[in-house]
Amino acid sequence: QSVLTQPPSVSGAPGQRVTISCTGSSSNIGAYYDVHWYQQLPGTAPKLLIYNNNNRPSGVPDRFSGSKSGTSASLAITGLQAEDEAYYYCQSYDTSLSVLVFGGGTKLTVL
Amino acid sequence: QVQLQESGPGLVKPSQTLSLTCTVSGGSISGGDYYWSWIRQHPAKGLEWIGYIYYSGTTYYNPSLKSRVTISVDTSKNQFSLNLSSVTAADTAVYYCARSLRGYSGYSDYWGQGTLVPVSS
Repeated sequence: QSVLTQPPSVSGAPGQRVTISCTGSSSNIGAYYDVHWYQQLPGTAPKLLIYNNNNRPSGVPDRFSGSKSGTSASLAITGLQAEDEAYYYCQSYDTSLSVLVFGGGTKLTVL
Repeated sequence: QVQLQESGPGLVKPSQTLSLTCTVSGGSISGGDYYWSWIRQHPAKGLEWIGYIYYSGTTYYNPSLKSRVTISVDTSKNQFSLNLSSVTAADTAVYYCARSLRGYSGYSDYWGQGTLVPVSS
C-alpha cells in the first residue's frame, strides 16, 4: 500500500490526452512538498519526466505536463504516441514517515 | 553528462550482507547540491527509497530499513556504496543508484541502469 495513490492503469488512443493522478495527504503533497514524475520503459531505469510539480527537464517534449493542487498532483500527456507506453511514477516526501515516497505506479497503454 | 553504474555480486544468500557500489563518471561526487541515492524495485513492483548520502558522509535512511542499511562514500574513487545486512528473499530486487537534488523531496535526475540482486540459497 503506497503512501501516494495512483491508478494501476490508464489507456488512450494515439493522439488523445490522458491524465494520471497521484493522491497523497496532508503529510506529503498537502504539506507543500514538491512532486516529481518518472517514466519507466520496460527493462530500463526510471527517467525524470517532470520535476518540482510542473517543470520539464531538457529534452522532455512539451506534450508532458504536471500540476499540483491540495493533496494531489497530476501528470497530463497530450498527443499520445505509441512510445509513451510505459509505467509512470510520482514521488514526494512524507514528513510523518520521514521518508521519500513513490506512488505505486501507473501503466499507460496506448491502444 | 553524468553517468552512474552499479556493481556487485549477482547473488546473495539469506542472512548475508548485500553489498553494491555505484561509480559516478562525468561529474564529481563531491560538493554541489546533490545527494547520492539508493532506490530499489521489487520484481514487478514499485519503487522504494533506501537512503542517500552527501559527499561529506551525512546519511539519511528509510526508517523501515535503517537498522540494516549502511551507505558510505569514497570521494577519491568517485563512488558510493550500499550495505544491506541480514537479507531475506524479500530483499530480492533491482537496485538503482541515482543522483538526487538536496532537499526533502529532491528529484533524481540521473540513474544507473540498475542491477538485479536475487537473494537465494
